[in-house]
Amino acid sequence: DTEVTQTPKHLVMGMTNKKSLKCEQHMGHRAMYWYKQKAKKPPELMFVYSYEKLSINESVPSRFSPECPNSSLLNLHLHALQPEDSALYLCASSHVPSGWTEAFFGQGTRLTVV
Amino acid sequence: SQQGEEDPQALSIQEGENATMNCSYKTSINNLQWYRQNSGRGLVHLILIRSNEREKHSGRLRVTLDTSKKSSSLLITASRAADTASYFCALNTGTASKLTFGTGTRLQVTL
Repeated sequence: DTEVTQTPKHLVMGMTNKKSLKCEQHMGHRAMYWYKQKAKKPPELMFVYSYEKLSINESVPSRFSPECPNSSLLNLHLHALQPEDSALYLCASSHVPSGWTEAFFGQGTRLTVV
Repeated sequence: SQQGEEDPQALSIQEGENATMNCSYKTSINNLQWYRQNSGRGLVHLILIRSNEREKHSGRLRVTLDTSKKSSSLLITASRAADTASYFCALNTGTASKLTFGTGTRLQVTL
């Protein structure tokens, strides 16, 4: 199984809602990532989890809260988002927490904040 | 900025032709990777080239790296309609486990 599975595929939420994005991989990878991608722009790194611990936070606003319950799962909890947070959110994993190996990406969650 | 700059921004070719896209950057790198993205969905890893390598091949893909010029190129030979996608270079710099993606090239291959 070489897949990274993200749910849901689409999400529409109000600015007062609380929602969560989920990501799962069963490749035994020990690094997991959240990226944000606006239309016609490159993906931008948000968070890196290394061996289930948060190792990089790219100064992401606190309305985005990541969680790594175990080595296979990664969540992104959303609260009080703004319309400008609408984007494609991509989860990725890699065998080890280093840039020396390829990253496997999920298909993303397309988030719309209304 | 550690981001790579890609050119062209968009490229339209006919099936069977070759496509070349370039990535330039400003910092020292550990390695450079190329990814493909179809229709704004997930990215697929294509190839990784280390800073001490000059050229790598994978099927119809050829990647070159010139660290003295801080640039890389991706050549897709004998393109197919299925190659239509956005292509991103991604830089691995420093010791952190992160990739910084370039601005991307949108490739359109027509029949």
